[in-house]
Amino acid sequence: KAGVTQTPRYLIKTRGQQVTLSCSPISGHRSVSWYQQTPGQGLQFLFEYFSETQRNKGNFPGRFSGRQFSNSRSEMNVSTLELGDSALYLCASSWTPNTGELFFGEGSRLTVL
Amino acid sequence: DAKTTQPPSMDCAEGRAANLPCNHSTISGNEYVYWYRQIHSQGPQYIIHGLKNNETNEMASLIITEDRKSSTLILPHATLRDTAVYYCIVRAILIKAAGNKLTFGGGTRVLVKP
Repeated sequence: KAGVTQTPRYLIKTRGQQVTLSCSPISGHRSVSWYQQTPGQGLQFLFEYFSETQRNKGNFPGRFSGRQFSNSRSEMNVSTLELGDSALYLCASSWTPNTGELFFGEGSRLTVL
Repeated sequence: DAKTTQPPSMDCAEGRAANLPCNHSTISGNEYVYWYRQIHSQGPQYIIHGLKNNETNEMASLIITEDRKSSTLILPHATLRDTAVYYCIVRAILIKAAGNKLTFGGGTRVLVKP
């Protein structure tokens, strides 16, 4: 059974650009969450989607957005990139939107120059 | 969600049991204790969770004190592959607003030595 797949794994952008990251959850999982991990702030919750609806949102500026498609795949977008957006972006999926047992992908490492 | 406190780091000898403590003195009655670990350059991995009874699975055992203010994750026979950062998380479930949000702290960096 395939795990959570995130693409791209690595990418480099410059300040002011935008980026879109993709996440394919485990087959059958309908809930997708996104997290940002940086050395200074650790792992922080970005947002969560279930049945194409955002159910929960962390404390991040509006430049960070996401969406979920009918096949449960999810994308997140960061616009007007800043140096501080350099991070590992992790996607996690689960069967339902109210469980603490999440399955994480290996992440997309974004470097902003 | 309640705050957790973990030691920043600990060493463990290969083949020995690793006991990882976690303090969650402000835990509420509807909050569970979850443990995750993150091996370098990988996403976090779910290990185990519990409410008040001790739990065991193929990866580890979770011991929760009777007053639920602290818990211990036990890796019974640590291997070099268990070297990772271990996160103790307290989370309310069965509350719709909780969703799947997990609040990660600093975790414990465990180094298993040969």
